[in-house]
This record gives sequence, C-alpha cells and structure tokens, in this order.
Amino acid sequence: QQQVKQSPQSLIVQKGGISIINCAYENTAFDYFPWYQQFPGKGPALLIAIRPDVSEKKEGRFTISFNKSAKQFSLHIMDSQPGDSATYFCAPYWGGGFKTIFGAGTRLFVKA
Amino acid sequence: DAGVTQSPTHLIKTRGQQVTLRCSPKSGHDTVSWYQQALGQGPQFIFQYYEEEERQRGNFPDRFSGHQFPNYSSELNVNALLLGDSALYLCASSVPGQGYEKLFFGSGTQLSVL
Repeated sequence: QQQVKQSPQSLIVQKGGISIINCAYENTAFDYFPWYQQFPGKGPALLIAIRPDVSEKKEGRFTISFNKSAKQFSLHIMDSQPGDSATYFCAPYWGGGFKTIFGAGTRLFVKA
Repeated sequence: DAGVTQSPTHLIKTRGQQVTLRCSPKSGHDTVSWYQQALGQGPQFIFQYYEEEERQRGNFPDRFSGHQFPNYSSELNVNALLLGDSALYLCASSVPGQGYEKLFFGSGTQLSVL
C-alpha cells in the first residue's frame, strides 16, 4: 500500500463546490488508473478510470487528470453533492502482476 | 443479475480458531480476488484466483489460504486467528482484460477476533 499515496486523508466541501483528491504512485509498471467509491457498509465500486495514454477523462461530474511524468493522477468532482459523501480510493492496476493496489482512502464530506 | 455475494456477513471468532469465508462472483466473471480492509484503511490485496489456481499473492502469511471451485466461486481460509485479523474481508470478481482490471466487490464479511 506504500506504493500508492493519497491526499488529503479527509476533505470537507460545500455543496456545489469542487472536490479534488490526489494520488501519487511509485511503480511505473502500473497500466490502468481507476478511482473507487465506497459507502459505509458496502464494498468499493468503480467510479471512473483512465489509461496512461490519455491525460484526462470526464464522465458527468467526475474527471480524472493523469500526469505520467509526475506519476500522479487526481479525481475532480464538480458541483459536489451531499450524496457524494463517501470514501474514495485510487487503485492503480499492475497488469504484469495481476493485482490492483489501493491507496489509504480519502473521506469526503459534502455539507448541504 | 446477481452481483458478488459473500457469506457470512458477520462472524465472531476467538484467537487460535480457523475461519472460512465464501464468495460467489458476478455472473460471467471467472477471476476472484480477496482483500482485507482494516477500519479506516484501504483494502489490502491478499490473493487472486483464476482457473482454480492462485495466480498472485500479496504480503500475507501462509495462514491465509484459498480455493476456487469449477463454478468460479471461492473460499478464503484463515488459520490460527490473531486479534489483528479482525477486519472487513472483501471479495471482488472480474473478467481478465487487456491491460485493465475492473473489480466488482461484494459487501464483505466483517470478522471480529476476540
């Protein structure tokens, strides 16, 4: 898990604001970069993902920005809603090793 | 179409005991991965099963073992339980892809070791 570092650990955002979560990784062999969302009492669910040949991907209010040279990728949540309150994990995948490595998570709270 | 199902949902054991957790993958999925999630932490990779074989393993001791059956369902066994084994155990299924892995998780088994 030390291969992947997420920041911040927790985040409080006003409704309608922008939430930004960052992820730094060490292993250059990672070849798929997803974000997972987890609600209390549930398992994580895939939210959005990007391949390393693309610098940005947008799906609705969610955007991933990817910087291969800096070995970083980030999740942006536009127009944040109270229903977005959850824990978010970056979880890069290493195809050669058949494993997905999760970050420690960011707890997001969106104030109504 | 049922998603990933895990049983039991909760389990209480004492130190030294053995436990078996079960997982049925999402329909059409042939790969099962197991993760341990301690309170307030991210899931940690235990191992992955594909074609009834352990294909990859994380940094977990041999007390953690598993099995995959011909119908792709899987079991996680933990022997000689320690207090530190208390955690949420998550099962995830997937279909092998070219350079990507989309994991579908169950709701987990909450294991408490007393």
